[in-house]
Amino acid sequence: DAGVIQSPRHEVTEMGQEVTLRCKPISGHNSLFWYRQTMMRGLELLIYFNNNVPIDDSGMPEDRFSAKMPNASFSTLKIQPSEPRDSAVYFCASSLGTGDIQYFGAGTRLSVL
Amino acid sequence: GESVGLHLPTLSVQEGDNSIINCAYSNSASDYFIWYKQESGKGPQFIIDIRSNMDKRQGQRVTVLLNKTVKHLSLQIAATQPGDSAVYFCAENDKIIFGKGTRLHILP
Repeated sequence: DAGVIQSPRHEVTEMGQEVTLRCKPISGHNSLFWYRQTMMRGLELLIYFNNNVPIDDSGMPEDRFSAKMPNASFSTLKIQPSEPRDSAVYFCASSLGTGDIQYFGAGTRLSVL
Repeated sequence: GESVGLHLPTLSVQEGDNSIINCAYSNSASDYFIWYKQESGKGPQFIIDIRSNMDKRQGQRVTVLLNKTVKHLSLQIAATQPGDSAVYFCAENDKIIFGKGTRLHILP
């Protein structure tokens, strides 16, 4: 199994541009999580899905952030418009169920100039 | 200048010594606990887990102890190696929020 796959690994963009981060969870996993990690705030849960349905998006910072999971094998996290304070490493993780061991992708390092 | 950032508890251990990383949890009804290790530049990775019907569980060089009375977990790493240098997180199964973590620093 290839594990959780995130793309791109690195993204550099200018303020105001739209950014789309992608995640392919482990096949057979029913839960998918998006996290953001910064030096200032540590690892923060943004949103998670169960069976492709968003369960808790209370961690999404503001309306500029949106996440979708159109099917069991793909999820996106979109930031529009992006701002310099969105610069962080964004992780996707998947698990069999919500309370089970999470398997993390390698992350996407986002820099907004 | 002033250092700004998330203050992580840090444990500095001599290479070859044993390390003990502690974690307090909040929900007495939690019945499953997981330890993760995050190395620099990588996502957190599962190390070991324990269910509430156990007090101790051993893996390869790692042991997790659970004290339900005081809602406390500890992760013990035997004969600490440079590769153990990382941030360690504990998680309760009913919470998906990771805490700050503890940074383990290995002294040569």
